Amino acid sequence: NAGVTQTPKFQVLKTGQSMTLQCAQDMNHNSMYWYRQDPGMGLRLIYYSASEGTTDKGEVPNGYNVSRLNKREFSLRLESAAPSQTSVYFCASQSGAPPPYEQYFGPGTRLTVT
Amino acid sequence: AQSVTQLGSHVSVSEGALVLLRCNYSSSVPPYLFWYVQYPNQGLQLLLKYTTGATLVKGINGFEAEFKKSETSFHLTKPSAHMSDAAEYFCAVRGNNFNKFYFGSGTKLNVKP
Repeated sequence: NAGVTQTPKFQVLKTGQSMTLQCAQDMNHNSMYWYRQDPGMGLRLIYYSASEGTTDKGEVPNGYNVSRLNKREFSLRLESAAPSQTSVYFCASQSGAPPPYEQYFGPGTRLTVT
Repeated sequence: AQSVTQLGSHVSVSEGALVLLRCNYSSSVPPYLFWYVQYPNQGLQLLLKYTTGATLVKGINGFEAEFKKSETSFHLTKPSAHMSDAAEYFCAVRGNNFNKFYFGSGTKLNVKP
């Protein structure tokens, strides 16, 4: 049982390049999330998917797109990377009923945009 | 609206001393509250959670937290710090929309020998 996996672990991009961050979970969870973590700012929600086929914007969606490919996989795409997108990106999945619907996190992708 | 405030971005304690990390929340509904720990270069790991019932919640690695509704607080404690406790700790509240969590800005715990 791998839990939540993310690829790649590290990435360096030049301004204007594009890339897709991959996330997969094997816990049969309906809900999946993308966060970014910046020093002193905690985790900020970029996008989430409450179930297969649905996606919704979070707190900081600008510059990102997502795809919920199937129940297991949720990808995050940067179409034209900017230095402000240098961050650590975490994918998470959320357990269903019963409460409290805790979230399980992947190991993160460390992205640097130069 | 929900929000979480963690007082103190950095806390330093000596090995064997009490650990106290503060978390205050706002929520318009009875909250579900969480503490997560993040070791260097790793993802977040659940330490403990509060749903309903007993207000003192025990978690992994000897940590516990007490839900105080009147103070809207959920402070994390450990009686005796260990070097391996050095990490960043995040408090979180689940929102009205159960699909969203709200995280505090984190507290980095340093443990001195």
